[in-house]
Amino acid sequence: DVKVTQSSRYLVKRTGEKVFLECVQDMDHENMFWYRQDPGLGLRLIYFSYDVKMKEKGDIPEGYSVSREKKERFSLILESASTNQTSMYLCASSLLGGEKLFFGSGTQLSVL
Amino acid sequence: LAKTTQPISMDSYEGQEVNITCSHNNIATNDYITWYQQFPSQGPRFIIQGYKTKVTNEVASLFIPADRKSSTLSLPRVSLSDTAVYYCLVGDGTGRRALTFGSGTRLQVQP
Repeated sequence: DVKVTQSSRYLVKRTGEKVFLECVQDMDHENMFWYRQDPGLGLRLIYFSYDVKMKEKGDIPEGYSVSREKKERFSLILESASTNQTSMYLCASSLLGGEKLFFGSGTQLSVL
Repeated sequence: LAKTTQPISMDSYEGQEVNITCSHNNIATNDYITWYQQFPSQGPRFIIQGYKTKVTNEVASLFIPADRKSSTLSLPRVSLSDTAVYYCLVGDGTGRRALTFGSGTRLQVQP
């Protein structure tokens, strides 16, 4: 089975801190995605990547950046965390030719 | 970008068949339709995918009419463990377009 691993299940940070959320997949998938999920708002796409060093903005990229230096790893960066970035962050991966996404368990980030 | 619309919530009882419809009026020729299930505090899980007509697997069926402007996820004989949020997703499979989820349908199964 495909495994998508997110580095932390729960994270608490302070306003203004730089935050790194790491995601690793073990199935050689080309595509990787970062979503955030808030109550009542469903899943919203932040960034995605279809190849190493490639990145594309999703629906809500403001306040975030990403890095994909290796195929299996996709990092989400909050340059200066703010309280409105408190959320559940979900990473996903898929093969280039389909929408069968495999999700990690999520990171619940609290920014105080 | 194909936007999807689903009912916000649905209620059912154990043993009943549940049908959840997703509207995607501006679906493109190359787009596939994929459904996911999400339990609290977990990431969504793939259920089924189709392009046209009907697809069936061990957990669900997916019905897609000829115009492909909607799709219906059918869950036969639901149980309490099917209580979850269900999302439909439309995308072209290339990975070069953002995959945007709709708001999802919260299904509550009662005993």
